[in-house]
Order: sequence, then C-alpha cells, then structure tokens
Amino acid sequence: NAGVTQTPKFRILKIGQSMTLQCTQDMNHNYMYWYRQDPGMGLKLIYYSVGAGITDKGEVPNGYNVSRSTTEDFPLRLELAAPSQTSVYFCASSYSDVGAFFGQGTRLTVV
Amino acid sequence: GDSVTQMEGPVTLSEEAFLTINCTYTATGYPSLFWYVQYPGEGLQLLLKATKADDKGSNKGFEATYRKETTSFHLEKGSVQVSDSAVYFCALSEEGNKLVFGAGTILRVKS
Repeated sequence: NAGVTQTPKFRILKIGQSMTLQCTQDMNHNYMYWYRQDPGMGLKLIYYSVGAGITDKGEVPNGYNVSRSTTEDFPLRLELAAPSQTSVYFCASSYSDVGAFFGQGTRLTVV
Repeated sequence: GDSVTQMEGPVTLSEEAFLTINCTYTATGYPSLFWYVQYPGEGLQLLLKATKADDKGSNKGFEATYRKETTSFHLEKGSVQVSDSAVYFCALSEEGNKLVFGAGTILRVKS
C-alpha cells in the first residue's frame, strides 16, 4: 500500500518557468489537498478537492492551478514560477474524519 | 475563520522529562482535533486524534484530551526519548474536512 505519492522530490525552476507537481493516492480517499510549508512556518492550504471533478481554493491559491479528473490523482500546476513560490509542497488525502495522510513532499526552489 | 494556536518553540527537554505542548483553537462548530508529527525531511504523520468533547486521543505514549470548555487540545507525554525530537503540529478539521494547522512546535530531546 503506497499511500500518497508525490513526484518529483526536488526541483529547481527558473523564474517564469512552469511545472506540474504530481500527487496520487491509492486509498480511494474522497478528499485531497495541497499545502505549502515555508521555513519555520506551519502549513498553508493552497487548493483542495472533495471528489473527482470538484476543486476549491484554499488560503493561498494565487499562482497555482489544480485539476481532479480521477479519484486517485490531484496534480498542482505552477504557471510563471516566482521566487515567492520557493517552498516545500505537501499533498494529502483523507476520508471522512479519520485525519489526513501526507506524501513525502516536493522541495521546490525558484531562482 | 477557524484557527489553531500552539506554544512557540523550540522546546528543549532532557530524556525522560515530562512533555506538554499547548494547543488552543477557535472554531464556530465542533471540529475534530489532531496532532501530527514531522520528522526531519519527511511528511507529516498523524499522531493522534479526538473527534468530540472529552475524547482522549493516544498513541506511542502521547496523549491529548479534547477540552471544549477551554478550547484546548494539549499534547502530553510522561517520558520523552531522543527519538521524539521532531516538529509537532496541532490541527483541526472544519467543514469539508479541510485541516487548519498551527504553526508547529519544535521539540528537541537531549540525552
């Protein structure tokens, strides 16, 4: 049982480039989330989804886009990368009220 | 909106000392409450949870009680080990199962 899998683990982007952070879960969870974690800070919600075809903005959605075409996958798209998007990104999934399962994270640096 | 406040760290303890990490929350409804732990370079792992008032969550010697009257969910452990060194996050889940996190508390345990 792989749980929540994120790729890539590390990435360096140049300002203005675009990329997609991949997230997939094999637990058939309805809910999926993208968080970012800045150094010394807590987690801020970027986007979330309550099921396939349904997405909604979190606390810090600007500069990002998501899609949820299947229950398993929830990719996060960065368009026109900026230094302010340097962070560690975590994908998570949950079902009902059991708490969320997190991926290992993607460490992104924008230079 | 809902929010979570944790005591600031870092908290530095000697091995076998008693641990308390304070957590209070603000919520309009009756959220579920969680403690997550993050070891260096890893994602967050669910440590324990409580879904209603007076529930006690426990795991690996850690415990926390959902106190509705004081809107608190303090984390405790009777005897910490060096391997408990990590960042601990208090969180609540509001409508739609969105998790709202505190800023995290760094725990350092010295041998």
